[in-house]
Amino acid sequence: GAVVSQHPSRVICKSGTSVKIECRSLDFQATTMFWYRQFPKQSLMLMATSNEGSKATYEQGVEKDKFLINHASLTLSTLTVTSAHPEDSSFYICSARRAEGGEQFFGPGTRLTVL
Amino acid sequence: DQQVKQNSPSLSVQEGRISILNCDYTNSMFDYFLWYKKYPAEGPTFLISISSIKDKNEDGRFTVFLNKSAKHLSLHIVPSQPGDSAVYFCAASDPNFGNEKLTFGTGTRLTIIP
Repeated sequence: GAVVSQHPSRVICKSGTSVKIECRSLDFQATTMFWYRQFPKQSLMLMATSNEGSKATYEQGVEKDKFLINHASLTLSTLTVTSAHPEDSSFYICSARRAEGGEQFFGPGTRLTVL
Repeated sequence: DQQVKQNSPSLSVQEGRISILNCDYTNSMFDYFLWYKKYPAEGPTFLISISSIKDKNEDGRFTVFLNKSAKHLSLHIVPSQPGDSAVYFCAASDPNFGNEKLTFGTGTRLTIIP
């Protein structure tokens, strides 16, 4: 199967701190990874697309300096929420796509709560 | 601007009956559509997809129908089982973005009543 993991699954932090979320494809190589955000009872909103070894492409309205994305290898992408504020509290989900294309496989998500 | 819409936020169906989830889209450039199932605090899992060159795709208890002229697709689950209770998202992709970028609907919470 195609398994994508995220770590941590849940994080609570103080306002002003930075939080790093990891997304790993465990049994396949992912040239492309995607980061989504979901507010309660709302749709998954694509934040950015990251390709291994290159800069991420951010969706309109997403601050690249606030949401730092690094796709250092074919199995790992990280999202760092810098200087987090309560309004950044959300469910963050990553997905990964195989090098040869096809569907996206989603991670289990990370619940971020900023106090 | 919500390009993919699921107008029913919730749906309750008796076990054994057919569940029909609907999805409408506005972007005529979408050419590939997917349905995902999501449990609370988990990521979505892929269910079934359909290309715009087809009007029906079937996989076991799940069938997706696509009406391009109406820009409408639906997911049929028959027979419905208690384990089908979850939130269902439809998603669409645009070939202009290499079919990489998925646009999701707002989801429909399906509850199967035993």
